[in-house]
Formats: sequence, structure tokens, C-alpha cells
Amino acid sequence: QVQLVESGGGVVQPGRSLRLSCTASAFNFRSFGMHWVRQAPGKGLEWVAVIWYDGSKKYYADSVKGRFTISRDNSKNTLFLEMNSLRAEDTAVYFCARESTVLTTFDYWGQGTLVTVSS
Amino acid sequence: QSALTQPASVSGSPGQSITISCTESSSDVGSYNLVSWYQQHPGKAPKLMIFEVNNRPSGVSNRFSGSKSGNTASLTISGLQTEDEADYYCCSYAGNTTVLFGGGTKLTVL
Repeated sequence: QVQLVESGGGVVQPGRSLRLSCTASAFNFRSFGMHWVRQAPGKGLEWVAVIWYDGSKKYYADSVKGRFTISRDNSKNTLFLEMNSLRAEDTAVYFCARESTVLTTFDYWGQGTLVTVSS
Repeated sequence: QSALTQPASVSGSPGQSITISCTESSSDVGSYNLVSWYQQHPGKAPKLMIFEVNNRPSGVSNRFSGSKSGNTASLTISGLQTEDEADYYCCSYAGNTTVLFGGGTKLTVL
């Protein structure tokens, strides 16, 4: 069955960097757009970024634009999120999600990885 | 800036029906029929329940249905069951290659 497994979360100081990974299995990874969605503790879902199936296009939420970079390695079925200049408000569980054949519809989600930005 | 507004909470008794609304603030957002709904139990990943306003993925109970009128989308759950108690989020393409989530609605099954 389709599986998405995030890793790389942890505690990081404000202003530092962190790289998240999402490893996919049981589907043709290179054929699907992929997204990152985050959820601050006790809060709702917030869309973060999307990358086209071939990596040719990338788009970001205004809250992370210029600080976060989404990328993928289709040869390794892996999605990445490079997070720089981290702020306390970036503290959240970060989910990777597969975009279905319908634009901005997320049919599979990972279990999430927690990022805590604190001194 | 565009936003999707949901009620903070709704409740119902087992067997009843409830409806959760999702109002799009921008007419640009409302022009897309790309509304989806997600169910999230505590500590779990969201689960797709409805896509393209009123379509159910395979495996989702037909007790869940979606609709849209003007700038307001709705999720209806009929025959409420205790396992339906969860948070529900609407989501829509917002144009300009961005995605919006509603603030979420906590469903309590009394």
C-alpha cells in the first residue's frame, strides 16, 4: 500500500536550519506532485509548499517564501524540505502529502514529523 | 487575503445528521470547484473524505457527502457514529498556485 514516511524533525534554535525528508513507497513517485503541509500544536492545517512531479515547478506559502526550499529526488523516491532561518512560529508537525490526479487534492499523507524551534 | 471560514465546532447525537460549512472569502477562490474535505483524529494524519466538492474516494462511507452553493461548500455527515468524532478541514485551490485550508471544525458526537 502507498506509504509516506517523514523524518528529520527535532529541536532547533531560532535562526538555524533543518532538512526534512519524506520517503515514498508502493507507487510511481515520479508521476505525482508532492506537498508539505504543517500543523502548529493545537492549531489547524497550513499548506507550505508544492513541487511538480518532475521538479520543474515549485510554489510556496507566503509565510515560508524565501526561507524554505522544496525539492525531490525521483531516483530515490524522496521528497525534501530545506528550512532556513527558522522562527518560533515554524514550530509544527510537518506532513508530506501526495497530490492525487485532481489538483490540490491530497490522497495520501505521511504520519508527520515534529519540528520545534526553541532556544 | 483569501480565507476559508469554518465553524469552530459542531455537535450531534448518534444517528443524526450534521453539516459543516466552509465559506470562501474571495470570489476567485469560489470560482474553482476544487474543494476537498479531510478528517483528522487526534495525533493522526488527515484523511481525504471528499474531493472536487462532492466526490468520495474509494473506501469512504457514503454517509459523507459534499456540496457547494455560491462561495460556501458544505460537508454533510448522515447517520452520525461515535467514530466520526474528529476535526474536519476544508481545502481549496486559491489561485496563484496556492492552497488554502479552513480553520477546522471540531465535531463532537454526544
